[in-house]
Amino acid sequence: EVQLVQSGAEVKKPGESLKISCKGSGYSFTSYWIGWVRQMPGKGLEWMGIIYPGDSDTRYSPSFQGQVTISADKSISTAYLQWSSLKASDTAMYYCARLGYYDFWSADYWGQGTLVTVSS
Amino acid sequence: QSVLTQPPSASGTPGQRVTISCSGSSSNIGSNTVNWYQQLPGTAPKLLIYSNNQRPSGVPDRFSGSKSGTSASLAISGLQSEDEADYYCAAWDDSLNAFYVFGTGTKVTVL
Repeated sequence: EVQLVQSGAEVKKPGESLKISCKGSGYSFTSYWIGWVRQMPGKGLEWMGIIYPGDSDTRYSPSFQGQVTISADKSISTAYLQWSSLKASDTAMYYCARLGYYDFWSADYWGQGTLVTVSS
Repeated sequence: QSVLTQPPSASGTPGQRVTISCSGSSSNIGSNTVNWYQQLPGTAPKLLIYSNNQRPSGVPDRFSGSKSGTSASLAISGLQSEDEADYYCAAWDDSLNAFYVFGTGTKVTVL
């Protein structure tokens, strides 16, 4: 069974760093891209970027380039999303998703989401 | 604001057919395929339609997608209470800030 399991909710202060994770199982983790999606409270979905764990090829949405870092450790089938200095505006639910089974951008499996709250 | 525009809301009674539009331009829907996602309250999104009109395995045939020019549509026939959710279209956008984008989202209410 394909599963993406994300790390738990985080409460952080502005300026702090954070790295959240997404662990894949039940499929060849290195053969499919993983994408990250942001959903701010009460708002819509936004693609942040994608990574191919096979070779760590990473693409960022221009809206998020320089704001976050996406990485992966294929040895433990885990992708990451990290911030070096959080802002209150980073408060959101973050989802990871597997891409590419049906067509390149079709996200057929999703993690359960990680809620990040940034507040002083 | 997204380059893909959807109506904020749509509604219907059980059994009715509801259609959701997704309006774009030549740099996105006009030249690329469209996917559709359903997001039930408090849950992660789910892929409903890929490549304009293809259903992933397990998605009921009550859901159908179409594309014409720079617009796409999702139709839900035989509306059921469990279809009450947010629906998002998505497509690659070839503009200056090229990347994959979601539509603005449509809240479907079953009356």
